[in-house]
Amino acid sequence: EIVLTQSPLSLPVTPGESASISCRSSLSLLHSDGRYYLDWYLQKPGQPPQLLIRAASTRASGVPDRFSGSGSGSDFTLTISAVAAEDVGDYYCMQALHAETFGPGTKVEIK
Amino acid sequence: QVQLVQSGAEVKKPGTSVKVSCKASGSTFSGDYFHWVRRAPGQGLEWLGRVSHNTGHTEYGQKFQGRVTMTRDTSVTTAYMELSSLTPDDTAVYYCARRPPAPGMDVWGQGTTVTVSS
Repeated sequence: EIVLTQSPLSLPVTPGESASISCRSSLSLLHSDGRYYLDWYLQKPGQPPQLLIRAASTRASGVPDRFSGSGSGSDFTLTISAVAAEDVGDYYCMQALHAETFGPGTKVEIK
Repeated sequence: QVQLVQSGAEVKKPGTSVKVSCKASGSTFSGDYFHWVRRAPGQGLEWLGRVSHNTGHTEYGQKFQGRVTMTRDTSVTTAYMELSSLTPDDTAVYYCARRPPAPGMDVWGQGTTVTVSS
């Protein structure tokens, strides 16, 4: 089973500042189609999760452009360029290369 | 636009089974997969498995092998997840999600709360 680790697990942020979350995989997530099968999700309190980033760097439909994904191999990053108050919640990376597994999650809260 | 509507909350006794449904409306693709994910109180997201809308092929998470069964009925565009031998640790909100023939689960159901208690 592919194991994902995230850091930090808790991230207090000031609105308007930039924030980054790291996700590391126990194996490379490069698929034979040339894409990295690593997605990012946000779960806001009381809501289902929502897709932010697919295939490491493609923003999902309707996601604000302050969210961006980067990385390759087994090392990936989600960056929020200017955190807004509505961005609070739990952020998860998820790999879909071999079955699916989620990272442990990063709780983002406003300072 | 696809929407997923799940069945209502359940309360179950330890040792019994629960079956949750997930009805899709709107445009679906024959290559869609329906995934099941749960979140227990104080825990993170956990993937249970997936079922192909087209073929019915399934893949389950290691932790749930032998205890979970996922099926679908294409005539009513509904996916099902049955979890057996329930324990209080299975108390969680269970979500279905659609993955089209592309990376990413882009549509999620509203969630079904399953409570296991004697």
